[in-house]
Amino acid sequence: KNEVEQSPQNLTAQEGEFITINCSYSVGISALHWLQQHPGGGIVSLFMLSSGKKKHGRLIATINIQEKHSSLHITASHPRDSAVYICAVRYNNDMRFGAGTRLTVKP
Amino acid sequence: DAGVIQSPRHEVTEMGQEVTLRCKPISGHNSLFWYRQTMMRGLELLIYFNNNVPIDDSGMPEDRFSAKMPNASFSTLKIQPSEPRDSAVYFCASSPLFTGELFFGEGSRLTVL
Repeated sequence: KNEVEQSPQNLTAQEGEFITINCSYSVGISALHWLQQHPGGGIVSLFMLSSGKKKHGRLIATINIQEKHSSLHITASHPRDSAVYICAVRYNNDMRFGAGTRLTVKP
Repeated sequence: DAGVIQSPRHEVTEMGQEVTLRCKPISGHNSLFWYRQTMMRGLELLIYFNNNVPIDDSGMPEDRFSAKMPNASFSTLKIQPSEPRDSAVYFCASSPLFTGELFFGEGSRLTVL
């Protein structure tokens, strides 16, 4: 069983749509990361959360520690948001990754 | 300030050869991480260092893999001997703290023939 489950695996949206990507985990964590990987392969850290909610531009990340669940929201999606979004959790001295959600935003 | 710098960006080698991947973390960052990404297994943490000291190498797949951090500005990941199943993209990341935000290098794509 994977400790980190993401949904959906693939997501296609029209430009301007509101996007939600979900991440559930089964271990007690010290922090959760949302990462973005573009088609060129580079990885960028979007958020690091241990509680509550964070916002950066059109991106919002929330986490519910009791329910072991986090969501990444993208408002007013744009084709440049097309990428793979990866959830990663830190616990003890380890770090585990979700399989990623491939987002395609069509103009 | 420059980001995390990895080299080489691409490496093609033959089975049995030694491979050395290099990473220069962001200046002032105390934690350094090595990850591997494959289609089959996704991203995996291999090892991380805190203040140049290896903290946890349980993710290193086997004895053929070794990592060092001789000083705060340089780390290496070595595979000896390399095997085709080691083909992957290897990422290095640094962070101000183990629990801090991660800054990734652009990755080293390794192909072992």
